[in-house]
Order: sequence, then structure tokens, then C-alpha cells
Amino acid sequence: KAGVTQTPRYLIKTRGQQVTLSCSPISGHRSVSWYQQTPGQGLQFLFEYFSETQRNKGNFPGRFSGRQFSNSRSEMNVSTLELGDSALYLCASSPRTNLAGEQYFGPGTRLTVT
Amino acid sequence: TQLLEQSPQFLSIQEGENLTVYCNSSSVFSSLQWYRQEPGEGPVLLVTVVTGGEVKKLKRLTFQFGDARKDSSLHITAAQPGDTGLYLCAGAGTGGSYIPTFGRGTSLIVHP
Repeated sequence: KAGVTQTPRYLIKTRGQQVTLSCSPISGHRSVSWYQQTPGQGLQFLFEYFSETQRNKGNFPGRFSGRQFSNSRSEMNVSTLELGDSALYLCASSPRTNLAGEQYFGPGTRLTVT
Repeated sequence: TQLLEQSPQFLSIQEGENLTVYCNSSSVFSSLQWYRQEPGEGPVLLVTVVTGGEVKKLKRLTFQFGDARKDSSLHITAAQPGDTGLYLCAGAGTGGSYIPTFGRGTSLIVHP
């Protein structure tokens, strides 16, 4: 099976702009989660989507939003970018029943805000 | 407050040495995962442990889940430069949530 893919891999934006990141999960995986990774805070959970519905949400401001499409592909959007939003954004997919919490990650999108 | 504490934060060793990294919490987890992440890439799942006291081996890597399911360790025997990376532990199942909580990781460098 093909792994999780994310596009774009690298992005440079200016403060105040908005950005949309895309994620295609492993075929058959219906749960998609997004994480922000920074050297200072580590991996932090943003939100999880399942069957086009946001099922869980982390402690991030409303500028961070996401959605999931009927084919399980997901996008996340960050509006009014701030310098502190510079990070590696990781998408992870999971099988339908995932009580063990296992995550299969994509390569990430490196966002730099200047 | 970090739910999962990993130690040491950094580790720099020579090829052939053994090492152990730790993942500790005051919370009980239903399961715990270990991942390895290389620079510029996403974490790759290495193992999942679910039973207290469980030991799993993956070639030169040995993973152990504490009896009380609050802590875990990863032991690498005869480390190789290819083992270099960030090792992350993640616990799930606290308070009924299956969303994993990640530790901040142990950055390992193995010098040839």
C-alpha cells in the first residue's frame, strides 16, 4: 500500500497570509489526524477527522481549521499566519478501529512564516 | 505539563555501544507506541505494546512496557549509525481517549 502523502513538502509564507495543506491517507484508513511539530513543544495534536467529521480537537486557536472529504483526503488551513506558526505539520492516518492509537505519518509539510 | 517524559533528551554514542531510553508518565495507558523520526521526515511506527510487563524485540531493539502500564523503555544493542534519529514514545487510552500523547523525544546520534 502507498503511504500517507502530503503536499506541498515545503512552503514559505508571509505573516498575515493563509495557507492550505493537503493530506492523502493510506488506502482504507478513514481517520486522519494533524499534528504540529516544533523543537520547543514537540508533537502537538491539532485535530482528527473521521468520515468527514471532526471527532477530536486539540488546544489550538480557531485560526487552525481542517476538513475531510468523502474519499478520506484531508486539508488543514491556517489563517492570519503568525511567525510562531512556523513548524513541521504532520498528517497521520489510522485504520477505522484504532483503539491502540497507532498512527501512520506522512513526511510532513515544512511551513516557514516570515 | 508534559504527560510523557522522555529521557535522556540527547544521546551521542559510538557505534557498537548499547543504550536505553526511557518514557515515563504518572498516567496509565492502554497502549504505548515507539516511533523513530529522521530529519525532514515523519515519524515511523516501530512497535506497539499493550500488556503490562510486555517485552517485544525488533532485531537489535528491545521494547518493554512497565507492569503498571505507566512507563516504557527502549534498549538498543550494538548501535549502528543507521539508528540515528529522534525516538518518540506515545501513549494512548488515558481517560478513554485513543488520541495519542507524544513525549518530546530522545535525539540519538551514533558515530561511526
